[in-house]
Amino acid sequence: DAKTTQPTSMDCAEGRAANLPCNHSTISGNEYVYWYRQIHSQGPQYIIHGLKNNETNEMASLIITEDRKSSTLILPHATLRDTAVYYCIVRVAVGGKIIFGKGTRLHILP
Amino acid sequence: NAGVTQTPKFRVLKTGQSMTLLCAQDMNHEYMYWYRQDPGMGLRLIHYSVGEGTTAKGEVPDGYNVSRLKKQNFLLGLESAAPSQTSVYFCASKKLEGPGELFFGEGSRLTVL
Repeated sequence: DAKTTQPTSMDCAEGRAANLPCNHSTISGNEYVYWYRQIHSQGPQYIIHGLKNNETNEMASLIITEDRKSSTLILPHATLRDTAVYYCIVRVAVGGKIIFGKGTRLHILP
Repeated sequence: NAGVTQTPKFRVLKTGQSMTLLCAQDMNHEYMYWYRQDPGMGLRLIHYSVGEGTTAKGEVPDGYNVSRLKKQNFLLGLESAAPSQTSVYFCASKKLEGPGELFFGEGSRLTVL
């Protein structure tokens, strides 16, 4: 599976859009981009995933560049409850090993 | 549905003792995983299973053994616990078909003295 690179930490003001970048320059054509988040010491929670097209759900939007070498997770109106560690993962749809990196620690500032 | 359930949630061991963590899922998922998370760190994959009766090594398998005798259960064993195995352990599962997401348990906090 391809490796991902994320900033260690980011700050965002409450009510503003939080844009979390992820670099996956070695991604293969059949690999998806997934985002999870982990609040405090809870188990990680799935947010969104995509292959080529941009995706949106009730939690967030995922913007994938045309060359698929990077992506951005957008939380449109960040709240204090969005303070968490966000993980970007790249993997094939059907496959065993799923590797997490260290993620980005997002602080939402009041 | 309970989802993914981990047992026990907390445990304190002495060095050299053995124990087993149980992960149970009721979603009929094929894939199951064990991760560990140390303070301030991301999740590291210990072992995983792609189906009943199968297991495979992850990033940090040393000192752990696993078994998947039943599809719904994935056991993580520590034969001789060491202080370096003090961590929070997370189990996860996913379905076989399609780009499905991982479902995680709430974690098991293990302290080895």
